[in-house]
Amino acid sequence: GQQLNQSPQSMFIQEGEDVSMNCTSSSIFNTWLWYKQDPGEGPVLLIALYKAGELTSNGRLTAQFGITRKDSFLNISASIPSDVGIYFCAGYYNQGGKLIFGQGTELSVKP
Amino acid sequence: EAGVTQFPSHSVIEKGQTVTLRCDPISGHDNLYWYRRVMGKEIKFLLHFVKESKQDESGMPNNRFLAERTGGTYSTLKVQPAELEDSGVYFCASSQGIRGEQYFGPGTRLTVT
Repeated sequence: GQQLNQSPQSMFIQEGEDVSMNCTSSSIFNTWLWYKQDPGEGPVLLIALYKAGELTSNGRLTAQFGITRKDSFLNISASIPSDVGIYFCAGYYNQGGKLIFGQGTELSVKP
Repeated sequence: EAGVTQFPSHSVIEKGQTVTLRCDPISGHDNLYWYRRVMGKEIKFLLHFVKESKQDESGMPNNRFLAERTGGTYSTLKVQPAELEDSGVYFCASSQGIRGEQYFGPGTRLTVT
């Protein structure tokens, strides 16, 4: 089946540092999505990307849809303690169909 | 607008028992999905409803899992009989439209002992 490889698995950074994480796939997707999960909560949608090459920002977050449609990255600039959590990438292909998730990147931010 | 809600938030049951999870999607969302995350692994798709019809149930692990969505509103996911490997967090999500944006509930943490 389809798989997404997300890296890194975990990151320990200092407050104020920039963060980058990415996902790659062996299959193409029509949409890439990035979610954040806080402890005890469900994943919250951060950014959705719909076109190859698209670069989209949401505050300090920037994500890009790779040209090949097989990869995406998420950058967080000037990290703050509330950025702590697990970040998931997800790919979507069929109309109304399922999401395929990466394994998640667990982010820890040291004040 | 109320988000996706799930009940219960936690459930601890013994192997062999039955558990029923409930999901209330965002009002007006025709698409409802069930996913599961087992400890430390990726979130995996279980099932997709469009209104009351099962569109895709390719992710259901086995016939111990039964999902329903009567009337196209809320959905239930029943596990009977539960096994140890069924432990994990079960998420429900809903969407409207075809662009891929799905909105998740807080999840039900199921522990089978």
